[in-house]
Amino acid sequence: NAGVTQTPKFQVLKTGQSMTLQCAQDMNHNSMYWYRQDPGMGLRLIYYSASEGTTDKGEVPNGYNVSRLNKREFSLRLESAAPSQTSVYFCASSGQGFGYEQYFGPGTRLTVT
Amino acid sequence: GQQVMQIPQYQHVQEGEDFTTYCNSSTTLSNIQWYKQRPGGHPVFLIQLVKSGEVKKQKRLTFQFGEAKKNSSLHITATQTTDVGTYFCAGRGGSNYKLTFGKGTLLTVNP
Repeated sequence: NAGVTQTPKFQVLKTGQSMTLQCAQDMNHNSMYWYRQDPGMGLRLIYYSASEGTTDKGEVPNGYNVSRLNKREFSLRLESAAPSQTSVYFCASSGQGFGYEQYFGPGTRLTVT
Repeated sequence: GQQVMQIPQYQHVQEGEDFTTYCNSSTTLSNIQWYKQRPGGHPVFLIQLVKSGEVKKQKRLTFQFGEAKKNSSLHITATQTTDVGTYFCAGRGGSNYKLTFGKGTLLTVNP
């Protein structure tokens, strides 16, 4: 039981490049989330998916897109990376919505130069 | 929008001392969750509180939810080096059904 997995672990991009962060969970959870973590800022919600087939914006969605590919997978895409998107990105999942405990993946450390 | 304030931002203690972090919300919360993140790691769920005045214990950790459901605290008795990390609260309430995380309290323990 791997829990929540994320790829890649580290990535360096140049301004304007695009990339997709992958996330998968094997806990049969309905809800999945993408957060970014910046020093002193805590965790901020980018997008979430309450259930397969639905996605919705969080607190800081600008510059990002998401795809809930199936129940297991939820990807985050940066179409044109900017230095302000340098951050640590965490994917998480939970049974059903925000009232349930969230299980986090190991994170992707992204640097945009 | 909903804000969840957490204090202190940093706390350094000697091993064996107690530690408390506080979480305050601008609105009444339906539930509050606590997470721990070890340095270089990912957040790990500790507990959820739902009821007004609720107190829950996990070994040396005591979690409280205020009577008005606007504040919460995490108290660690006799800290150990294994307690090092950042403790986050995350609240949900009012018209905001999403979780809002506090900025966290970084605990360091001197052995």
